[in-house]
Amino acid sequence: KAGVTQTPRYLIKTRGQQVTLSCSPISGHRSVSWYQQTPGQGLQFLFEYFSETQRNKGNFPGRFSGRQFSNSRSEMNVSTLELGDSALYLCASSLVAGGGNEQFFGPGTRLTVL
Amino acid sequence: AQSVTQLDSQVPVFEEAPVELRCNYSSSVSVYLFWYVQYPNQGLQLLLKYLSGSTLVKGINGFEAEFNKSQTSFHLRKPSVHISDTAEYFCAVSDGGRRALTFGSGTRLQVQP
Repeated sequence: KAGVTQTPRYLIKTRGQQVTLSCSPISGHRSVSWYQQTPGQGLQFLFEYFSETQRNKGNFPGRFSGRQFSNSRSEMNVSTLELGDSALYLCASSLVAGGGNEQFFGPGTRLTVL
Repeated sequence: AQSVTQLDSQVPVFEEAPVELRCNYSSSVSVYLFWYVQYPNQGLQLLLKYLSGSTLVKGINGFEAEFNKSQTSFHLRKPSVHISDTAEYFCAVSDGGRRALTFGSGTRLQVQP
């Protein structure tokens, strides 16, 4: 069974631009969560989608948004990029929603904002 | 609100020595607890989890953890580490339901020859 895939793996953008990251969950998994990982703030929860609906949202500004498609693939978008958005963005999938379920993580997308 | 404290940011240890990585949590309800490992330039991999039942949980790669409700702890242990165990380890908690996972700040395990 293929694992969680994220594209692209690396991305370089400049301040003010926007970016879209993609995540394909494990086949059969309907829940996708997104996390931001930085040296200073650690792992922080962004949002969770289940059956195309956002079920949970972390404490991030509205510049961060996401969506989920009918095939469970998910995208997250960051608009008006800031230097502080430089981070490793991790996607995790699970069979059902909720933090109590085992989450399988992808390798991440490393975003650098110049 | 739930929170996780990993008391040690770095733990250096010699190969074949035992190791314990400490994790304390705070939650007002019953909890699910997890340990994840992250190797350089990779995502997180689940080591083990406690959902209910026996308080001693065995995971992959010879790791185990003990859930202690009175001490609100979930320390990770391995009796004999290997160079390949060098990685960052994250403790995480969830109260289940709709709540997302909350991660600790991580402990970098450095195994020296």
